[in-house]
Amino acid sequence: DQQVKQNSPSLSVQEGRISILNCDYTNSMFDYFLWYKKYPAEGPTFLISISSIKDKNEDGRFTVFLNKSAKHLSLHIVPSQPGDSAVYFCACGGSNYKLTFGKGTLLTVNP
Amino acid sequence: NAGVMQNPRHLVRRRGQEARLRCSPMKGHSHVYWYRQLPEEGLKFMVYLQKENIIDESGMPKERFSAEFPKEGPSILRIQQVVRGDSAAYFCASSPDRGFNYGYTFGSGTRLTVV
Repeated sequence: DQQVKQNSPSLSVQEGRISILNCDYTNSMFDYFLWYKKYPAEGPTFLISISSIKDKNEDGRFTVFLNKSAKHLSLHIVPSQPGDSAVYFCACGGSNYKLTFGKGTLLTVNP
Repeated sequence: NAGVMQNPRHLVRRRGQEARLRCSPMKGHSHVYWYRQLPEEGLKFMVYLQKENIIDESGMPKERFSAEFPKEGPSILRIQQVVRGDSAAYFCASSPDRGFNYGYTFGSGTRLTVV
């Protein structure tokens, strides 16, 4: 039973445009949400996070939006750059230390 | 200022052999977490350790898998009598305190291949 779903295995975007990556979760006990970026043969790198008391968090080109009623979060990258090409994982956590990850979305930014 | 160090990066074992994966946390971090990524899957929690203590091993398979984090030295994830299904990428993360409020720092992983 997948508690965290990233329904798009891949996404292709032109350089300079917006990339929108989506994530849905089912566990209402999750109250902290993170996005990780992963290059091949490397470990995941923390990108941005949001707690359940907020609905938006922005860091440079990256913005995470949280819709608690829909149990949905999204990551917006504006403008997208070729170096952003990677696998993006959504991760959700509760009041403890465990993170539940989605399967990831492969983002390709074309020059 | 080294990050989380994992070794080896790649490990090939024959079925029935033992695999030992090592993780050195970031300096000043005393909390270590192991995650496993099977092919085409997301990362899944395996175990959480502090120095000399296993806090939560609820994600570990019941048999053949064990983990430790001794007072001195790296954390070790040990897999006995490996089978093909153990082939995966194993990632270690560390944090200064319990929890992930600022995002865990992950190592580059150990890619285990069982032949």
